[in-house]
Amino acid sequence: DIQMTQSPSSLSASVGDRVTITCRASQGISTYLNWYQQKPGKAPRLLIFASSSLEFGVPSRFSGSGSGTDFTLTINSLQPEDFATYYCQQSYGVPRTFGQGTRVEIK
Amino acid sequence: EVQLVESGGGLIQPGGSLRLSCAASGFSVSNNYMSWVRQAPGQGLEWVSVIYTSGDTYYVDSVKGRFTVSRDNSQNTLYLQMNSLRAEDTAVYYCARDQHRYASGTYQLDYWGQGTLVTVSS
Repeated sequence: DIQMTQSPSSLSASVGDRVTITCRASQGISTYLNWYQQKPGKAPRLLIFASSSLEFGVPSRFSGSGSGTDFTLTINSLQPEDFATYYCQQSYGVPRTFGQGTRVEIK
Repeated sequence: EVQLVESGGGLIQPGGSLRLSCAASGFSVSNNYMSWVRQAPGQGLEWVSVIYTSGDTYYVDSVKGRFTVSRDNSQNTLYLQMNSLRAEDTAVYYCARDQHRYASGTYQLDYWGQGTLVTVSS
């Protein structure tokens, strides 16, 4: 199985900050990497697919990059509604594993 | 409008069985890969299972031989039959459309249901 490791597991940031979350795959997965946002009590929401493609309706302050084993989610100018937990997920093979999540908290 | 609505969760004793349903609208479950994802209380997301358009099914190791994913095309509904339930299966279970994007060739969970809580406890 492909293991996905996110870092950090949590971070504190202020409104307006630039935030970067990384995700590493245990083997190469090309660009078969998705990012999701989840708020408490809600279902996850797709933000980025295919490593760097922005899902329809997602603000342009979200961006993704990477290929192979190393990936990054960047949030430019963090907004109050962005405080949530973020997960990466590989769709290269089954099981379609998730990272353990990164909680973005208000500083 | 695409919508997924799960049902069937509840409190069940260890060793018991439960069948979750996921009613889809706005698209056809038979023409899409469909996945189940679960989230234990206070924990992260765990992918559980997928059913392909071909009918092929795949599972995470921890549920193999106990869970079965299926669909009823006439009802446009996805199911997860869960047998021999354990305390560690306690979680909110989400169904999600595992959509293929031709431009990128990739799959992603683009629509999710609201989730249904399964609690395994005596």
